[in-house]
Amino acid sequence: DGGITQSPKYLFRKEGQNVTLSCEQNLNHDAMYWYRQDPGQGLRLIYYSQIVNDFQKGDIAEGYSVSREKKESFPLTVTSAQKNPTAFYLCASNHRDRGYEQYFGPGTRLTVT
Amino acid sequence: EDQVTQSPEALRLQEGESSSLNCSYTVSGLRGLFWYRQDPGKGPEFLFTLYSAGEEKEKERLKATLTKKESFLHITAPKPEDSATYLCAVQGDNQGGKLIFGQGTELSVKP
Repeated sequence: DGGITQSPKYLFRKEGQNVTLSCEQNLNHDAMYWYRQDPGQGLRLIYYSQIVNDFQKGDIAEGYSVSREKKESFPLTVTSAQKNPTAFYLCASNHRDRGYEQYFGPGTRLTVT
Repeated sequence: EDQVTQSPEALRLQEGESSSLNCSYTVSGLRGLFWYRQDPGKGPEFLFTLYSAGEEKEKERLKATLTKKESFLHITAPKPEDSATYLCAVQGDNQGGKLIFGQGTELSVKP
């Protein structure tokens, strides 16, 4: 079955530690996205990539980093510089051409204490 | 500035009580308007894409419509399993493939 996988579903970290969230897709999509979702704030774009080895900052990129070495994979690292990292993180993908819907993974809930 | 506003924030219905959710948008050159359903603790599930004013899409009890300024998601005779948050998003000419999301409408359908 084609789809997007995110792992792990729940992640706990101590403050000051970097953590990497996994996102893999087998939909042969060119573009991939990372969003953050907080209660009452909707989805906010962190980073996106429209082609391998290239990515752009979204609206809230500070404290995050990404890589796109393979078409199928777009890992997100939450660094210790992110001031409020506890949130629900969603990965999405779509075809690069405009007008195509994005498909989402199941999400990773990160809790930092 | 491109933006999306959804109303109401929350909607409570009795089973079988039809209603509509609203998505108002301002965007430079609409490329697509998207509706998603999101259950608690899960990723959004794609429902519909609308491209131009006058277009309509249907799926079971849901019907999405589009005008030049807004979109409606009509829910006919809802059931408790329709309870979820419904998200609206738009893609415009100036966004390079990115979507702008509204805050969502939380729908609760009681038996």
